[in-house]
Amino acid sequence: AQSVTQPDIHITVSEGASLELRCNYSYGATPYLFWYVQSPGQGLQLLLKYFSGDTLVQGIKGFEAEFKRSQSSFNLRKPSVHWSDAAEYFCAVEGSYKLSFGAGTTVTVRA
Amino acid sequence: AAGVIQSPRHLIKEKRETATLKCYPIPRHDTVYWYQQGPGQDPQFLISFYEKMQSDKGSIPDRFSAQQFSDYHSELNMSSLELGDSALYFCASSSRGDEEKLFFGSGTQLSVL
Repeated sequence: AQSVTQPDIHITVSEGASLELRCNYSYGATPYLFWYVQSPGQGLQLLLKYFSGDTLVQGIKGFEAEFKRSQSSFNLRKPSVHWSDAAEYFCAVEGSYKLSFGAGTTVTVRA
Repeated sequence: AAGVIQSPRHLIKEKRETATLKCYPIPRHDTVYWYQQGPGQDPQFLISFYEKMQSDKGSIPDRFSAQQFSDYHSELNMSSLELGDSALYFCASSSRGDEEKLFFGSGTQLSVL
């Protein structure tokens, strides 16, 4: 069965600084990988996804993620964080026609 | 573009009551997934349907049941509600073989008092 680990429960970053959220996955075949963002009390919004092809994936809101098969990782990055990026971020892997989510990383942005 | 529609948006029930959550997938999507997200938790897979048949089952309590209808909408029925059932329930839909287009609804917030 597939699984996802997000090692960082909470990250605090200054506005304008760079952000990197870690995600490690476990899956036997080529994974389908996703990053979602969730604001308090809101639904899941898809930031980006990787299915195949280029290992550097561009998403919405200036986010990107890099798939590294050798490290089983799919880390999310943003060069310059905005206050509106404060939210919870979930990495997910799809296998057997369902998504398995990581525990999430809460991002706090300080002025 | 049409999205996944969930109703109701919010639902308040008392212990031991019954609740029914509805999910309307994106047109021409044949697969529906249900997820439960407790407070401060990650979404947990409950159950999925493909072409009106249950295709996979996760950590869904026996008190819960679900089905997918001929128009592909799905309903999650929850009986004998417990306080611990308070959560955000998400529905997602996709087209089998085209899982790249997996979309989530905004969720139903269920509060059990």
